[in-house]
Amino acid sequence: GNSVTQMEGPVTLSEEAFLTINCTYTATGYPSLFWYVQYPGEGLQLLLKATKADDKGSNKGFEATYRKETTSFHLEKGSVQVSDSAVYFCALSQNTGGFKTIFGAGTRLFVKA
Amino acid sequence: DTAVSQTPKYLVTQMGNDKSIKCEQNLGHDTMYWYKQDSKKFLKIMFSYNNKELIINETVPNRFSPKSPDKAHLNLHINSLELGDSAVYFCASSHGTGGFEQFFGPGTRLTVL
Repeated sequence: GNSVTQMEGPVTLSEEAFLTINCTYTATGYPSLFWYVQYPGEGLQLLLKATKADDKGSNKGFEATYRKETTSFHLEKGSVQVSDSAVYFCALSQNTGGFKTIFGAGTRLFVKA
Repeated sequence: DTAVSQTPKYLVTQMGNDKSIKCEQNLGHDTMYWYKQDSKKFLKIMFSYNNKELIINETVPNRFSPKSPDKAHLNLHINSLELGDSAVYFCASSHGTGGFEQFFGPGTRLTVL
């Protein structure tokens, strides 16, 4: 079945450091891929998405590219801020096989001033 | 103008009690979900409704019963609460099934004593 694997956290960085959170997936067909972010005490919200191979999603300085050849969707940001401290979830979804969105286990990011 | 709202935000109750959580969305979406998030932030789908029809029913105890009176509302009733039910429960909605962004509510933190 479909699955999403993302790097374990927590990830601790200093402000202005470069961020990469790895995400790989297993799916048949062509799923849509997402990154969601959960700030403390809140629900998840969409950060960015990509719907087909080689698409790049971007938002708030974050980027991720849909790589079908490596089945990956790694999240990157060139310079993190303290306000980026949150839990990040990689997810995939497709309109077949039960319509479920599959979420990764989440990666907690701490950014120090 | 809240998109997805849940009540209550916090729920503290004794083992064996019955409780309900309500969810409403004003986005005009036709699909709604219940998720359970444990203390390690792992997110598990419980149920999904599309146009008031149950389309996802994961292996959750039958003490949990969802009800969708209309497309904008999805409630969760839990009978005979157990310690292991303590978690944060999130409602979400989307336009269509599979492949679409989900919009999450703020969560209901349930504590069973």
